Amino acid sequence: AQKVTQAQTEISVVEKEDVTLDCVYETRDTTYYLFWYKQPPSGELVFLIRRNSFDEQNEISGRYSWNFQKSTSSFNFTITASQVVDSAVYFCALSAPIYNQGGKLIFGQGTELSVKP
Amino acid sequence: GAVVSQHPSRVICKSGTSVKIECRSLDFQATTMFWYRQFPKQSLMLMATSNEGSKATYEQGVEKDKFLINHASLTLSTLTVTSAHPEDSSFYICSAREQSSTDTQYFGPGTRLTVL
Repeated sequence: AQKVTQAQTEISVVEKEDVTLDCVYETRDTTYYLFWYKQPPSGELVFLIRRNSFDEQNEISGRYSWNFQKSTSSFNFTITASQVVDSAVYFCALSAPIYNQGGKLIFGQGTELSVKP
Repeated sequence: GAVVSQHPSRVICKSGTSVKIECRSLDFQATTMFWYRQFPKQSLMLMATSNEGSKATYEQGVEKDKFLINHASLTLSTLTVTSAHPEDSSFYICSAREQSSTDTQYFGPGTRLTVL
């Protein structure tokens, strides 16, 4: 069975601090995809990144960076120099390929990040 | 690109009425759309997978006669909550999967349903 665990329910930081959101996943598939989505107070989910299981390269996009480690089944997300606008709920998600279960997304419970000025 | 819209964004209705929610992919074709439900402070729960031109696939525990899904075109899926009751009050979010090498799901802005 597939499962995503985001152990941090809530995180509160002060602006300009770096923060890492943890994500641990479980799957028996050899091919799978990992995602991070941001849900601001407005409710809309914003796609941040997609990673496939064969690409363990870390990725950096501006202040965002992602660390994918298959050995520990983790896909952690770091925000550098956090800003108030980063305040949101962040979801990590896992999916199998389309030919396997239709590519359904399995979401973690989410981490609510609060960045205070 | 990859914009998904939902309508309405908010609806308040009386118990017993039916409510239709539309999900549209605005700039891409989506043969597959997904419907989720989210309660306050909780994660998204997949309700059903909607495939264009075929019947939706419902997750275990989701009443298909209660939540009617129609995916009539490559850009439109609708969810109808029939005979809504207060316990159906929730945030409903759709997503559309872009048929490209990324196969990423893009989400609509959500519909907040309140049943009185």
